Amino acid sequence: AQSVSQHNHHVILSEAASLELGCNYSYGGTVNLFWYVQYPGQHLQLLLKYFSGDPLVKGIKGFEAEFIKSKFSFNLRKPSVQWSDTAEYFCAVTAYSSASKIIFGSGTRLSIRP
Amino acid sequence: SAVISQKPSRDICQRGTSLTIQCQVDSQVTMMFWYRQQPGQSLTLIATANQGSEATYESGFVIDKFPISRPNLTFSTLTVSNMSPEDSSIYLCSVEYRREPQETQYFGPGTRLLVL
Repeated sequence: AQSVSQHNHHVILSEAASLELGCNYSYGGTVNLFWYVQYPGQHLQLLLKYFSGDPLVKGIKGFEAEFIKSKFSFNLRKPSVQWSDTAEYFCAVTAYSSASKIIFGSGTRLSIRP
Repeated sequence: SAVISQKPSRDICQRGTSLTIQCQVDSQVTMMFWYRQQPGQSLTLIATANQGSEATYESGFVIDKFPISRPNLTFSTLTVSNMSPEDSSIYLCSVEYRREPQETQYFGPGTRLLVL
């Protein structure tokens, strides 16, 4: 069965620090990969997605993620975080054969110290 | 992206009662889904709402407990039946758009349910 692992449950950083949130998935076939963000009191928003092509994907608000097929990973990065990046971040996967069925990771809570 | 709304945004219900949650989208969508996000946990897919036919439920979810309707391409309802405190959760609908070439889901604001 497919699964998604986010090993960092809570990350605390100072403003201007660099960010990398880990995401690993288990599925041997073709996958589509997503990062969603949930800001406090707001609904889930799509941050970026990967379907094919360049494995380095750029999203909104300066975020990017790199798909490394050999490592089954899709880590999220941002070179310099801001206080407004405080949120919950969810990695998600759909298997090409399962079309729309999304499997979510457990989420990583990011807290930024001003 | 288009606007997805859910009603109610939150509710407090008594054990044994039922609550119907509505999801409205401002444009036609190909797919609609219902998720549950239990406190401190990630999202779990409950079912795919199929227009004009019975919903497709994921393992662990049944129609008697979570009846779903989707009468047209922009509207769906999820009912949480015979509620217990374990049903306290955030319920979210999500949609995929007809105009998007790749399957990407967009989420509504959620309905926060507390069962006493």
